[in-house]
Formats: sequence, structure tokens, C-alpha cells
Amino acid sequence: EAQVTQNPRYLITVTGKKLTVTCSQNMNHEYMSWYRQDPGLGLRQIYYSMNVEVTDKGDVPEGYKVSRKEKRNFPLILESPSPNQTSLYFCASSPPLSGRGEEQFFGPGTRLTVL
Amino acid sequence: GESVGLHLPTLSVQEGDNSIINCAYSNSASDYFIWYKQESGKGPQFIIDIRSNMDKRQGQRVTVLLNKTVKHLSLQIAATQPGDSAVYFCAENMRWAAGNKLTFGGGTRVLVKP
Repeated sequence: EAQVTQNPRYLITVTGKKLTVTCSQNMNHEYMSWYRQDPGLGLRQIYYSMNVEVTDKGDVPEGYKVSRKEKRNFPLILESPSPNQTSLYFCASSPPLSGRGEEQFFGPGTRLTVL
Repeated sequence: GESVGLHLPTLSVQEGDNSIINCAYSNSASDYFIWYKQESGKGPQFIIDIRSNMDKRQGQRVTVLLNKTVKHLSLQIAATQPGDSAVYFCAENMRWAAGNKLTFGGGTRVLVKP
């Protein structure tokens, strides 16, 4: 089954404690991205990756890091989380030049609370 | 930057009636427009999309209308069912050298009353 998986699904942490949210896809997609979702703001792109070792900032990259050492994995790293990073996070993947909606796959989401 | 439908209104609809969800977009260069459905606790799920060179596309019980003159997108759901209760997002896709960029609206919550 084609899917994007994220772990953990829920996380409560404290300010300043480094954390990583993992994302993995089994569709051999080149393009992966991270979004955060906040009430009334829709999904905003944090970082994206066109392929292995190729990453770039999205619209709201401050406070986040990513890496793309393997094609299937795209972890999101919060080196020093702050309460304003409390949000719902989604990972997504797609073929590289696809704008087709049905080719964009989203993970189930990770709800992060930073105290 | 561009924005797509920042507000999160709620649409209450009687089961069996038709639903119309509206969305405004701002980027004339967008080449695809997509509607997603998000149920509680899940990620966005693709419903239907439409190319910028079309003005209407139909799927199963859903129709998307695109009016480029006024930069407006709508999703029509026929014979709304309880399973249609969810938050619906429109998104515009712009293709550029780095790939594709999706910009999402804030969403509309649809509540189906039995």
C-alpha cells in the first residue's frame, strides 16, 4: 500500500529539548515536504526536498531543520523547540514535477505540543 | 506572499442537500487547483483537481468550478452525506524550477445534519 508514515503521531515536550519527527514514504517519490497546520491558516510549507541531499526552505522555516540522506526518509528536526512551534505537522511526497493533486500523498500528521 | 482563502468558515448542510464551498486565490501563475478533504485526525486527502485551462471538472458527486476572471474556485458536493463532514481545503499549485509549490487556503468546515 502506497503511504507516507510519520512518527510519533503525538508528542508533548518542553522548551529547548531537541526532537525529531520522522517521515517515510514507500512510493519512490523524489519530492518531499513538511507542512505545519494551525487553525485558520491552512497548511504552510516549512521545508521541501527535491531529491536526496537537496533541501530548501519553504514559507516558515525558522526553528526547523531537515535532512534527506535517503530517498524514502525526510526527518524534521527541532533543535530547540519553543511553544510557538506547537502545531500539527504533515509530511507529504510526490513525483518531482507533478502538479496533479492525486499524486500528492500526505502522512497522517504529528501533533506536537511544546510546553 | 499569495494567499488562498484565509478564513475558516463553517457550512452546515442538511443530509441530502447539495453543498457549495468557495475559495479565493491570488496567484494568476498557478497551473493546478486542488481540493482536499481532511477528516479529524487524518492528513489531507485528495478529492479533485482542475487545470488552469479548464473551468469545470466533474468527479463522483463532486464538481469543481474555476473562474479565473475573479480568481475563484468552488467545490460542489451533490447529495451531501454524513461521511462528507470534514474540513475542506483548496490549494493552488504553481510549477517552478524547484518543483511544485502548493499554497493552501484556511479551510471550510462542513457539518452534515441528519
